[in-house]
Amino acid sequence: GEDVEQSLFLSVREGDSSVINCTYTDSSSTYLYWYKQEPGAGLQLLTYIFSNMDMKQDQRLTVLLNKKDKHLSLRIADTQTGDSAIYFCAERYSGYSTLTFGKGTMLLVSP
Amino acid sequence: DAGVIQSPRHEVTEMGQEVTLRCKPISGHNSLFWYRQTMMRGLELLIYFNNNVPIDDSGMPEDRFSAKMPNASFSTLKIQPSEPRDSAVYFCASSLSRYSYEQYFGPGTRLTVT
Repeated sequence: GEDVEQSLFLSVREGDSSVINCTYTDSSSTYLYWYKQEPGAGLQLLTYIFSNMDMKQDQRLTVLLNKKDKHLSLRIADTQTGDSAIYFCAERYSGYSTLTFGKGTMLLVSP
Repeated sequence: DAGVIQSPRHEVTEMGQEVTLRCKPISGHNSLFWYRQTMMRGLELLIYFNNNVPIDDSGMPEDRFSAKMPNASFSTLKIQPSEPRDSAVYFCASSLSRYSYEQYFGPGTRLTVT
């Protein structure tokens, strides 16, 4: 079945790196996504990675994909207070339109 | 572009009343998705449309929920009659096509049913 798991909460200090982890169960996932939700707002796509990739870097964001363990991580370098939000991992299968989301990880960045 | 527009942003209603949530997708986008977000269940897909046609409504909880997309620029999600357990944030999202990488989310409608 489809299931995406995330830890619920992460607290870091400003300037540190944050690592948010996600595990998924379906090995046929083709695309894996990270979305960010700020308070009172909708979800905003941060980055995505194809299942044939191991890593993707985009400025302060690094996505690592371990297909063997079905593990996805999002690393935020030099975390800022503005990065405080809920981060959602999501997966999608080739040929399907729908996304399956995890329950989200709340990142709290303290000064 | 203004992005995905949803209205109202907040809705408080009494149990048994009819509730209609509205969504205007991004112009030129052919796919539209309705999601519901709760603390207990997270983000769930309710229904999605492609070219105004409902493709998958398996996430619609029960017959009290209905969704329409009369044209490419407007969709509604209706709950009749509403119940307290329907309280949630309802998001609309759109994408260029059903297989596009990115879905663009609206700001959501926070529904409270008392």
